[in-house]
Amino acid sequence: LAKTTQPISMDSYEGQEVNITCSHNNIATNDYITWYQQFPSQGPRFIIQGYKTKVTNEVASLFIPADRKSSTLSLPRVSLSDTAVYYCLVPIDNAGNMLTFGGGTRLMVKP
Amino acid sequence: NAGVTQTPKFQVLKTGQSMTLQCAQDMNHEYMSWYRQDPGMGLRLIHYSVGAGITDQGEVPNGYNVSRSTTEDFPLRLLSAAPSQTSVYFCASNRGGHDSTEAFFGQGTRLTVV
Repeated sequence: LAKTTQPISMDSYEGQEVNITCSHNNIATNDYITWYQQFPSQGPRFIIQGYKTKVTNEVASLFIPADRKSSTLSLPRVSLSDTAVYYCLVPIDNAGNMLTFGGGTRLMVKP
Repeated sequence: NAGVTQTPKFQVLKTGQSMTLQCAQDMNHEYMSWYRQDPGMGLRLIHYSVGAGITDQGEVPNGYNVSRSTTEDFPLRLLSAAPSQTSVYFCASNRGGHDSTEAFFGQGTRLTVV
């Protein structure tokens, strides 16, 4: 069963690119990697999902190396409103149904 | 679009009381789940369901019951509330499966047990 490890916290400044790396050494062949964002007093919000190489949407990019044992969420030109907790998830069951959230990475964007 | 709706938003219980947290989704998702989030912590999976009539335990199931009689509804029952169950509870739904991990979360229920 895969588990994820990511930094507890990161600081950045407005306008910078932020990269948050997550390790998932035991990821299963069929598992996708998913990232969520959570603001205080709100439920998590889906950011991006990927299986391999690179995925990009209007919010972020996700880089996954060939061995898939890690992934990096890239947030371009962050703003103060990107201050949040970011979670990296892989399923912990064989069917891909059980999504568990670790402690996440607290990103603080400073002016 | 309503998405995932949780009720109530806030609740105070006395130790030993029971109650049901309601969750409903209108996206015809097969997969629904309940999480709890303690202050400063990540979300922990309580129970989940992969379809009507099918439920299973998550990481922290003790003290909670669930049922799934319809695709839309997935209530969470606290059998005998304890102060350790003070937390924020989130319900989520998604299509399910390896390639569909985009889950939609409700606004949460903030529960205090005194």
